This record gives sequence, C-alpha cells and structure tokens, in this order.
Amino acid sequence: NAGVTQTPKFQVLKTGQSMTLQCAQDMNHEYMSWYRQDPGMGLRLIHYSVGAGITDQGEVPNGYNVSRSTTEDFPLRLLSAAPSQTSVYFCASSDVNEQFFGPGTRLTVL
Amino acid sequence: AQSVSQHNHHVILSEAASLELGCNYSYGGTVNLFWYVQYPGQHLQLLLKYFSGDPLVKGIKGFEAEFIKSKFSFNLRKPSVQWSDTAEYFCAALMGGSYIPTFGRGTSLIVHP
Repeated sequence: NAGVTQTPKFQVLKTGQSMTLQCAQDMNHEYMSWYRQDPGMGLRLIHYSVGAGITDQGEVPNGYNVSRSTTEDFPLRLLSAAPSQTSVYFCASSDVNEQFFGPGTRLTVL
Repeated sequence: AQSVSQHNHHVILSEAASLELGCNYSYGGTVNLFWYVQYPGQHLQLLLKYFSGDPLVKGIKGFEAEFIKSKFSFNLRKPSVQWSDTAEYFCAALMGGSYIPTFGRGTSLIVHP
C-alpha cells in the first residue's frame, strides 16, 4: 500500500515549456486534489476531483489543467510554464476522515 | 466565504515552553476540523482531528486541540515542546458538506534547544 505517489520529485523548466505532474493513489479514494505551497501563502487549492470523470477548479486554477480518467490517477498539466508557477506541488487523496498527501514535487520555472 | 484563519504566522519557543496555536473558521454549520504538521522537507501528516463528541481532542506526539463552537475556534496546544516539534502547522476544516478541506496559511514553529 503505497498511499499517494507523485513524480517527479524535482523539475526545472524553461518559461513556455509544458509538462505533466503525475499523481496516483491506491486507497480507492474518490476525492483527489492538487495544491501549491508557497512561502507565507500556505496551501492553495488548484483543482480537485470528486470522482473519475469529474473535476473542478479550486482557488488558483489558471495555467493548469487536470483530468481524471481513472480513480487512481490525477495528473496536473502545466500548459505553458511561467516563473510564477515556481512552487512545491502536493497531490492529496481523501476520504471522509482524512486527507493523505503525496511527497510533493518541487518545480522551478526559469 | 468559508475560510480558515491562523493568527500566528511565526512562533519561536525554547524547549519545554508551552505552545498554543490559534485557528478560527468561518462557517455556521457543521464542521470537521484538522491539524496537520509538515516537518522540514516532508509532506503534510495528520496530527489530530475533530468530528464530534468530546471537544478536547488528543493527537499524536502529545498534541491536543480544543473545539470551542461559540468561538469558531480549534486551537492546538502542547504543554512542553521539543526541538523535534520544529515544523509548519496547518489548520484545516471541512465545511458545508465538502470533502475537500479549506486550509489556513500555516504557522511556522521553531523550537530552540
């Protein structure tokens, strides 16, 4: 039981490049979410999903896309990376009792 | 709008000092409340949670929190902190039937040995 896994752990992009952050969970949770963590800003919700095929925007969705084709996977796509997207990204899956977080991806956009 | 506020952004203590971190939420209905901890370089882990029942909740590592409904608060306490408690602490709430919690901005705690 791996919980929530994220890849890659570190990534450096140039402005304008695109990439996908991967997230997978093996707990059969319906609810999954993506957050970014920036100093002094806490955790801000980017996108979330309440089940396969259902996604919705969070607090800071601009510049990011998500899809949920399976219960297990919830990838986050950066369409055209910008320096403002330099951050640490956490994926989480949850049931009614608790959210479980992945180890995070530290992204730097030059 | 539903929100969670943490009033202490940075706290610096010496070992053995007592700790209390404030958390308030803005929602008049039923809430589920959480405290998470993030040790340096790690992901968030659950410290404790309150859903119903005894408003004084005990969590891991000697932490406890008290839900005071009249004050919309869920403050985190520890009677005697250790250097290993140095971390960032996040309060979170499930409000309005949502399954995606709202997080506060976090409190950075530094404990000097």
